[in-house]
Amino acid sequence: GESVGLHLPTLSVQEGDNSIINCAYSNSASDYFIWYKQESGKGPQFIIDIRSNMDKRQGQRVTVLLNKTVKHLSLQIAATQPGDSAVYFCAEQGNNRLAFGKGNQVVVIP
Amino acid sequence: GAVVSQHPSWVICKSGTSVKIECRSLDFQATTMFWYRQFPKQSLMLMATSNEGSKATYEQGVEKDKFLINHASLTLSTLTVTSAHPEDSSFYICSARALAGGPETGELFFGEGSRLTVL
Repeated sequence: GESVGLHLPTLSVQEGDNSIINCAYSNSASDYFIWYKQESGKGPQFIIDIRSNMDKRQGQRVTVLLNKTVKHLSLQIAATQPGDSAVYFCAEQGNNRLAFGKGNQVVVIP
Repeated sequence: GAVVSQHPSWVICKSGTSVKIECRSLDFQATTMFWYRQFPKQSLMLMATSNEGSKATYEQGVEKDKFLINHASLTLSTLTVTSAHPEDSSFYICSARALAGGPETGELFFGEGSRLTVL
């Protein structure tokens, strides 16, 4: 079946540096994409979203880029902080279903 | 912002018993609620989609008689794990989509999850 996947399982980043997390998706019918942050033992926390008619969206310290040509999604975190340490999931929505990618652990080194 | 509450947040039960997990939208009405399960260090896997007043739509490979879902009102959906076994131990997470017309129309909100341990 179609799936959403991530390239890197773990990303270690120095505090203050920028982080980039990548995600590949395969369902060309998906029209809405979301990045979530999940801390241990908690539910997913919304970070930022983007619709398929856009290729970039910025939030506070975060930017999501969408490349529909190669079905690629990325999340950029500026000036990474210790509180950014978590697992990050991309998710794609199509046909009223939200499917999650495999997750990427971000470890911020003080 | 909108809040989705799950109860219980954690539960331990004996093998063979049934466990009910509730998912409530506290300050908005939800036309659709989704149930996910998550194993350690893995992603969230969609189990089923429930719409108020109708039968849930289960994902392929999810046993509907094993995981009973009821969406009796616009603010409550329940997941019952019947005859639970140790392999059912997992983190169960619900999400709710806000009903059209409100301030959070169409937005999806997640609960904090319910950890089930079957002995």
